[in-house]
Amino acid sequence: GESVGLHLPTLSVQEGDNSIINCAYSNSASDYFIWYKQESGKGPQFIIDIRSNMDKRQGQRVTVLLNKTVKHLSLQIAATQPGDSAVYFCAENAGGTSYGKLTFGQGTILTVHP
Amino acid sequence: EPEVTQTPSHQVTQMGQEVILRCVPISNHLYFYWYRQILGQKVEFLVSFYNNEISEKSEIFDDQFSVERPDGSNFTLKIRSTKLEDSAMYFCASSGSARNQPQHFGDGTRLSIL
Repeated sequence: GESVGLHLPTLSVQEGDNSIINCAYSNSASDYFIWYKQESGKGPQFIIDIRSNMDKRQGQRVTVLLNKTVKHLSLQIAATQPGDSAVYFCAENAGGTSYGKLTFGQGTILTVHP
Repeated sequence: EPEVTQTPSHQVTQMGQEVILRCVPISNHLYFYWYRQILGQKVEFLVSFYNNEISEKSEIFDDQFSVERPDGSNFTLKIRSTKLEDSAMYFCASSGSARNQPQHFGDGTRLSIL
């Protein structure tokens, strides 16, 4: 069935460290993936996306890796800052007959200590 | 930067009453969505809307729910007879395409059913 799950519900890092947030998905038909950041009282904020025909995509301080063989997605944040503290969600779109429906994972709480 | 706006930020309603949640999507977007997030849980898809009709809906989106785009800028979610379990954050999102483009979210409406 469709499901997206996260290996680690919480991640605590020191400022300046690199962070890696992981996500497992089970729907092999998914062809588009997004990472969102959600701060308290706010809606999900787009960070970076990747299509299934790619295995890596880089943005500003963030990199998303996609391993379709094991259905695994990760978000790497370089030089993590206190402002990066938030809940991070991965989301997948099943493609095919799906009209944009996103399936979200449970979320990982990232805490960055100064 | 264009953003999705939602009103009200908090809505308190008696059980059994009708409620309308309002959203103004990003102006050049064509695809609109509603999601909800029960406290402490993941974001769940409710419905997608394109070309003035529902494209896809989840099992949560039963006959008590309806969506409408009454004019060129607003997108509404109506719950006809609210239940206690409807209490949640409701997020509106929009995108330029149903696939391979990120959905941008508003900051949500917190719906509290008494």
